[in-house]
Amino acid sequence: GEDVEQSLFLSVREGDSSVINCTYTDSSSTYLYWYKQEPGAGLQLLTYIFSNMDMKQDQRLTVLLNKKDKHLSLRIADTQTGDSAIYFCAGLYGNKLVFGAGTILRVKS
Amino acid sequence: DAMVIQNPRYQVTQFGKPVTLSCSQTLNHNVMYWYQQKSSQAPKLLFHYYDKDFNNEADTPDNFQSRRPNTSFCFLDIRSPGLGDAAMYLCATSQPSGNEQFFGPGTRLTVL
Repeated sequence: GEDVEQSLFLSVREGDSSVINCTYTDSSSTYLYWYKQEPGAGLQLLTYIFSNMDMKQDQRLTVLLNKKDKHLSLRIADTQTGDSAIYFCAGLYGNKLVFGAGTILRVKS
Repeated sequence: DAMVIQNPRYQVTQFGKPVTLSCSQTLNHNVMYWYQQKSSQAPKLLFHYYDKDFNNEADTPDNFQSRRPNTSFCFLDIRSPGLGDAAMYLCATSQPSGNEQFFGPGTRLTVL
């Protein structure tokens, strides 16, 4: 079945790069996503990548997809305190998003 | 601005007392979704509507129902809330392809 896993916690210093990793089991997803959730708020779509792409860059965000290893990563360049949040990766299976449990990113000033 | 609106943002109900959560959208999207997110867990799809067609996930409890009276509105009804139903409920919308789902701010449900 579809299963998505993420590391639970990442702590970085302001100005450094952050890399959040995700692995998934079912490679039939058409798109893979990164969502951001701030405390008490809904999910904000950050970026997504079509499953036949290897990389996508969008300003400070870089998504890498390794289909062979079923591994997705999100790199945030020049991480700011406002980037502190929970980051969810998700795969799209039909119309259904299957999410990982989320990675808490803490940015220290 | 086009958006997904959820009301109320916080809802408190008593064990066993029916509750309805509301979602509306100004995006004119065909598809509307309800996700449940328990504390420190991943959001999990409960069901979705493709226009008027209702699609239930296999493991969604019977206690959860939904209504979509028109394109703009979708409701989540919990017939007899239990303590285990306390969660954030997220509504999302998309075009038919579903490849971009836009989420509302969520309703946090507390069951006493």
